Amino acid sequence: GAGVSQSPSNKVTEKGKDVELRCDPISGHTALYWYRQRLGQGLEFLIYFQGNSAPDKSGLPSDRFSAERTGESVSTLTIQRTQQEDSAVYLCASRGLAGPTDTQYFGPGTRLTVL
Amino acid sequence: AQKITQTQPGMFVQEKEAVTLDCTYDTSDQSYGLFWYKQPSSGEMIFLIYQGSYDEQNATEGRYSLNFQKARKSANLVISASQLGDSAMYFCAMWNQAGTALIFGKGTTLSVSS
Repeated sequence: GAGVSQSPSNKVTEKGKDVELRCDPISGHTALYWYRQRLGQGLEFLIYFQGNSAPDKSGLPSDRFSAERTGESVSTLTIQRTQQEDSAVYLCASRGLAGPTDTQYFGPGTRLTVL
Repeated sequence: AQKITQTQPGMFVQEKEAVTLDCTYDTSDQSYGLFWYKQPSSGEMIFLIYQGSYDEQNATEGRYSLNFQKARKSANLVISASQLGDSAMYFCAMWNQAGTALIFGKGTTLSVSS
């Protein structure tokens, strides 16, 4: 079946503009995660959605960051008033709960560049 | 709190040789799992192998195996018979205490030469 997809693959924006990043999880996966990866670094957790439960927003770096997900479908990550330090690759992952490893499957990421 | 440490920023190996990528972890949980992911230059994160803390045997997946030493809190990835396509960044990870996200190490860049 199809994997996790993300759009756009690349986004260049000017400082101060808002951006919206989209993630389509694997069908049937109830859990969805957003991570940020700065150049040459590991992944930083941003937010986690599990079904209809309240999301875990503990990783969001500031109130300029927000994310939504309706049910078990698409999620959008919104960054308001972008800053240059927001430049990074934003990775989305989804996870089903039936697999023995409970692993996350990642999308290809959105590379955000803030000028 | 959970923590993953990867102390090798870069590793170099020749084709067909084996290489070990180090990972140590810290957790107070009795039950936990450790993951390894590969990230080629294209950027996608590719799941490689998983080790559960109660698994009796070290995990293996093809050319990948995990040298799991629970008492030392280490979960090193062993790649046998390296190939040029193995050149990538490798990340070790485990679930955070809440079980809501993976915590990643800083990664190791592996370069395979012919």
